[in-house]
Amino acid sequence: EDKVVQSPLSLVVHEGDTVTLNCSYEVTNFRSLLWYKQEKKAPTFLFMLTSSGIEKKSGRLSSILDKKELFSILNITATQTGDSAIYLCAVNSGGYQKVTFGTGTKLQVIP
Amino acid sequence: DAGITQSPRYKITETGRQVTLMCHQTWSHSYMFWYRQDLGHGLRLIYYSAAADITDKGEVPDGYVVSRSKTENFPLTLESATRSQTSVYFCASSEWGGGQPQHFGDGTRLSIL
Repeated sequence: EDKVVQSPLSLVVHEGDTVTLNCSYEVTNFRSLLWYKQEKKAPTFLFMLTSSGIEKKSGRLSSILDKKELFSILNITATQTGDSAIYLCAVNSGGYQKVTFGTGTKLQVIP
Repeated sequence: DAGITQSPRYKITETGRQVTLMCHQTWSHSYMFWYRQDLGHGLRLIYYSAAADITDKGEVPDGYVVSRSKTENFPLTLESATRSQTSVYFCASSEWGGGQPQHFGDGTRLSIL
């Protein structure tokens, strides 16, 4: 059975801190790993990773994949209160439509 | 406005009733998906559709029915609702499939009493 595990489950930091969110996976026939941000409603897409060692970056957010050790990290530097959300990791494996989501990391950024 | 919309946003119903959740997208994406989100489980795929008239089961399809007669619409029906189907339901669409970025609707919070 495919498995995606995110850690920590929740995190409280102060504005300006840097955070690292983790996603490890055990799947058959890995195809891609995606990160989403979920505030109050719909998850929104952040990054898609398919190759090891290539950092994807968007402003203060960055992500990297390690296909040998089967994990990905999402970094957020200089956190702001608007970064408060649940961050979801999802892995596409096996069948083209098979996507397994982790349970998410809840990040709270306090002023 | 372009996007993906779900209706209703909130629904309360009783066990045994039939209920249909609607999903409409304006991008003409080929792929559409239905997920449920429950504490401790994350998002789980119920059904997906690769094109009009093509649907297939996901991880948790029991008790649900879908149809896709038009590319833009993908309704989800609970034929005889049970309390275990109380959840938040998300519809999503994608141009190239589940392993590519998906665009999610705002969700429907469904409570079954």
